[in-house]
Amino acid sequence: DIQMTQSPSSLSASVGDRVTITCRAGQSIANYVNWYQHQPGKAPKVLISSTSILESGVPSRFSGSGSGTDFTLTISNLQPEDFATYYCQQSYSTPITFGQGTRLDIK
Amino acid sequence: QVQLVQSGAEVKKPGASVKVSCKASGYTASNYFIHWVRLAPGQGLEWMAIINPGGGATGYAQRFQGRLTVTRDTSTSTVYMDLGSLRPEDTAFYYCAYSSGYYVFNTWGQGTLVSVSS
Repeated sequence: DIQMTQSPSSLSASVGDRVTITCRAGQSIANYVNWYQHQPGKAPKVLISSTSILESGVPSRFSGSGSGTDFTLTISNLQPEDFATYYCQQSYSTPITFGQGTRLDIK
Repeated sequence: QVQLVQSGAEVKKPGASVKVSCKASGYTASNYFIHWVRLAPGQGLEWMAIINPGGGATGYAQRFQGRLTVTRDTSTSTVYMDLGSLRPEDTAFYYCAYSSGYYVFNTWGQGTLVSVSS
């Protein structure tokens, strides 16, 4: 199985801040990383696919980068609705695996 | 636009089985997949299984082998997840999710809460 190590596990920030979440794969997975946002009481939502492709309807303050084993999700100009839990996911091979999640709280 | 509608919440006793359904509509891809992912309290997302509704091929996470079965009914575009030998730690929201061959979970069901308690 491909392990996805995500950090940090939690993060406190203020509205308007810029934050970065990282994910490291246990082996090279090319660009097969996707990022999801989960808010309590809702289903997860895909934000970015294939490392850097912004999904339809997702604000441009979200961006992704990386390749091989190291990947990042950056959120610029944090908005109140961005405080949620974020997960990376590798879609390189089954079993599909997720990072442990990063909980983003309001400072 | 793809929509996934899941069955309602379930309460089960340890050792029992639960069957959750996921009805798909609005899809156009001829080759698509339905996955099952769960989210337990205080835990992260966990992928459980995949099914290709067209051909019926399935794949399972190793830790669920032997007590998880995913099936489909092509006449109603419904996929079923059957988890047996339930334990309290199986208490979670169970989601179905749609993907193309690239395994990006573009669409999710609303989630089904399964509670396991004696």
